[in-house]
Amino acid sequence: GAGVSQSPRYKVAKRGQDVALRCDPISGHVSLFWYQQALGQGPEFLTYFQNEAQLDKSGLPSDRFFAERPEGSVSTLKIQRTQQEDSAVYLCASSLAPGGTTDTQYFGPGTRLTVL
Amino acid sequence: GQQVMQIPQYQHVQEGEDFTTYCNSSTTLSNIQWYKQRPGGHPVFLIQLVKSGEVKKQKRLTFQFGEAKKNSSLHITATQTTDVGTYFCAGHASNTGKLIFGQGTTLQVKP
Repeated sequence: GAGVSQSPRYKVAKRGQDVALRCDPISGHVSLFWYQQALGQGPEFLTYFQNEAQLDKSGLPSDRFFAERPEGSVSTLKIQRTQQEDSAVYLCASSLAPGGTTDTQYFGPGTRLTVL
Repeated sequence: GQQVMQIPQYQHVQEGEDFTTYCNSSTTLSNIQWYKQRPGGHPVFLIQLVKSGEVKKQKRLTFQFGEAKKNSSLHITATQTTDVGTYFCAGHASNTGKLIFGQGTTLQVKP
């Protein structure tokens, strides 16, 4: 596609429910990043994939968060037993090259998660 | 860990006035990127600065990277209502692709 797409755009979950957020990166992009953006804050890094390999998951806030990219394209961020503090916009970004520091990251529209 | 700070957090200007946001990193950066996020939107890449002391211009926007590669600024000349949004600077953590974002500066422009 023309850009990074994410689904769903909005998700409301009851506390304790599991959620799955999907990211479709730009075709051919090797690197994929997940960020969490709380209201009024800048995006915070969660995890990074190079193709199907998860090379950095240092930003995942707890073991309730899990991400995968099994075929090196689409990625899913799963949050188990959601808590109210998980409410945020989850942004996915992709870049063409393998994790370099000079690549432009293209962001998707985000999924706004609200946990009641 | 590495931190990126931005000031001010908010700025309200009259249309036609200039605007500047400042970005400071706790560590030396390999490069710095600037993004704009419109209300309800997602971050959109504006520019990347790599060299010490580098200055780049995009129409009314001027971006600077400090000599020590620890600070940067974005200056908008003669703001327009279309400039409204939040401007983020972001630096890479060491030599990985992971971006560390500042808190952003939200610009409001009164017509």
